[in-house]
Amino acid sequence: DSGVTQTPKHLITATGQRVTLRCSPRSGDLSVYWYQQSLDQGLQFLIQYYNGEERAKGNILERFSAQQFPDLHSELNLSSLELGDSALYFCASSEPREGLTASGANVLTFGAGSRLTVL
Amino acid sequence: SQKIEQNSEALNIQEGKTATLTCNYTNYSPAYLQWYRQDPGRGPVFLLLIRENEKEKRKERLKVTFDTTLKQSLFHITASQPADSATYLCALDNYGQNFVFGPGTRLSVLP
Repeated sequence: DSGVTQTPKHLITATGQRVTLRCSPRSGDLSVYWYQQSLDQGLQFLIQYYNGEERAKGNILERFSAQQFPDLHSELNLSSLELGDSALYFCASSEPREGLTASGANVLTFGAGSRLTVL
Repeated sequence: SQKIEQNSEALNIQEGKTATLTCNYTNYSPAYLQWYRQDPGRGPVFLLLIRENEKEKRKERLKVTFDTTLKQSLFHITASQPADSATYLCALDNYGQNFVFGPGTRLSVLP
């Protein structure tokens, strides 16, 4: 158990629908990252939040949005779903409140992922 | 344009041999580079990181080198075991903004 919790583990839905993926970061971590991993594309960075504020944005579609709440959990909302949105969505956390790791650098701790299937 | 490449999509080696994986990047200036292991259907797990001013880092059977002139990192697993079979990803910090991952190399260690 990495300490990063993602729900749901699996989700099957239809085109045009909207889903919400949830992530609870490792205790004490302030940053949350969202990545999409489909079969033909590796891990694609979507968006990062730090202590409730958006910090960096990758190739996130306009149909997708995210937020980080005061308790630091994050949600990724995917709307008007298309077949091509079927993928594994990973959340990762980093930047512990008490300071960086012994290596002095940020490392990512990933959750187990949410597998989204759009039919 | 910015790019991260890993030497091959798949690599097969015999148990006991040394596996060498390559990560090359273009148009990035990472302060450090990281290697992760990913098993099928699971999230990546951090293995090692190396800073731009370090040439080599070791951890048990793992060794990473980093050449900022060549813009390349090599990841070695010595005395490989079937349990080392997984996909290995390199990742760069993107100017401190986020982490960008390479496409990964799927390593199979054959008994």
